[in-house]
Amino acid sequence: AQKVTQAQTEISVVEKEDVTLDCVYETRDTTYYLFWYKQPPSGELVFLIRRNSFDEQNEISGRYSWNFQKSTSSFNFTITASQVVDSAVYFCALSEPLGTSGSRLTFGEGTQLTVNP
Amino acid sequence: DAGVTQSPTHLIKTRGQQVTLRCSPKSGHDTVSWYQQALGQGPQFIFQYYEEEERQRGNFPDRFSGHQFPNYSSELNVNALLLGDSALYLCASSLGSLTNQPQHFGDGTRLSIL
Repeated sequence: AQKVTQAQTEISVVEKEDVTLDCVYETRDTTYYLFWYKQPPSGELVFLIRRNSFDEQNEISGRYSWNFQKSTSSFNFTITASQVVDSAVYFCALSEPLGTSGSRLTFGEGTQLTVNP
Repeated sequence: DAGVTQSPTHLIKTRGQQVTLRCSPKSGHDTVSWYQQALGQGPQFIFQYYEEEERQRGNFPDRFSGHQFPNYSSELNVNALLLGDSALYLCASSLGSLTNQPQHFGDGTRLSIL
């Protein structure tokens, strides 16, 4: 069975600090996809990034960057120069194929990020 | 471009009742998945619909059932409600049911059981 672990339950930072959210996953699949989602208080899960198991190139998009290391089964997410609007729960998720068709996301427990002014 | 829409936003029921939640997928998407998110936890997969069929199901009892209509919209039905069914129910849509497709979520329906 697949599993996603986000060891950090809550993180609190002051605005403009950099913050890294950790994610460790377990899977027996050789091909898989990892995702990060953001959930503000409104409840909607907002898709941030997708990464496949064959692409270990790290990526930067504006203030966001991702560090994918297959050797340690980690997919960490960094926000540079954090802002109050970044306050939300962040979920790491692993996409699992189900049979010959269908897929499902396995989510971690989430990390509550609070950015204080 | 309309995103995923869910109705109702909030719902209060009592134990033993039945409830129906509704979801309209994002424009152009044909696959709908349902998730249950208990307070303080990550979403848990209930089931996925593609081509009007339930493709896969998570570890949920038969009290949870669903349907997908020809226009790709979907319903989630829960019978014989229990206190433990209180949660945020999230609908997600994607283009196709493969693992590489990002799922886009609605705002959810918050269900409270008294």
